[in-house]
Amino acid sequence: SQQGEEDPQALSIQEGENATMNCSYKTSINNLQWYRQNSGRGLVHLILIRSNEREKHSGRLRVTLDTSKKSSSLLITASRAADTASYFCATSGAGGTSYGKLTFGQGTILTVHP
Amino acid sequence: IAGITQAPTSQILAAGRRMTLRCTQDMRHNAMYWYRQDLGLGLRLIHYSNTAGTTGKGEVPDGYSVSRANTDDFPLTLASAVPSQTSVYFCASSGSGLAGSEQFFGPGTRLTVL
Repeated sequence: SQQGEEDPQALSIQEGENATMNCSYKTSINNLQWYRQNSGRGLVHLILIRSNEREKHSGRLRVTLDTSKKSSSLLITASRAADTASYFCATSGAGGTSYGKLTFGQGTILTVHP
Repeated sequence: IAGITQAPTSQILAAGRRMTLRCTQDMRHNAMYWYRQDLGLGLRLIHYSNTAGTTGKGEVPDGYSVSRANTDDFPLTLASAVPSQTSVYFCASSGSGLAGSEQFFGPGTRLTVL
């Protein structure tokens, strides 16, 4: 079963607008990561946030983590047409058999119109 | 070679045939992974290896086998392919399999089983 669930499944915005994607998970985590996938390509790592962190920035990306609600959000500011892609959250389990392995959500398809 | 390579890029295979998907990385990463990606289901872990000489089962291991004879190579074998194994297969690696660290993905193999 999937650990992460993402919302929305699809998001369509205009260039220059901000895009927010949300991820919820079920069990305790060591860290949460966000990946991007362009159509027909492999995934590319964007950002990692550890369970003891609440917010992290990387360029136009801002990630928040609320472990009490078991949720995370990815904000892309001032979006560009080149940001069009699928975005996945992935959780690394905190213990047991899930430790060290990533469990991916189903992804959010982001379309940025020029 | 830079990063992770996968071969073949795509393959059409008759049901019942044996097939090996190849994966090679040149980053000297300890951990390697095989995922399958299906529409609406995100990425699911098939098998993983935390270090050369060891392997483990992921979420959907049935019908697949792996080996890790050395650090660089992590082939995935379908002993007798079935149509439900039609999918896009991604190989990934990370510096450490024990810390849930960033994973680097190959470009994928699109497999169709008829």
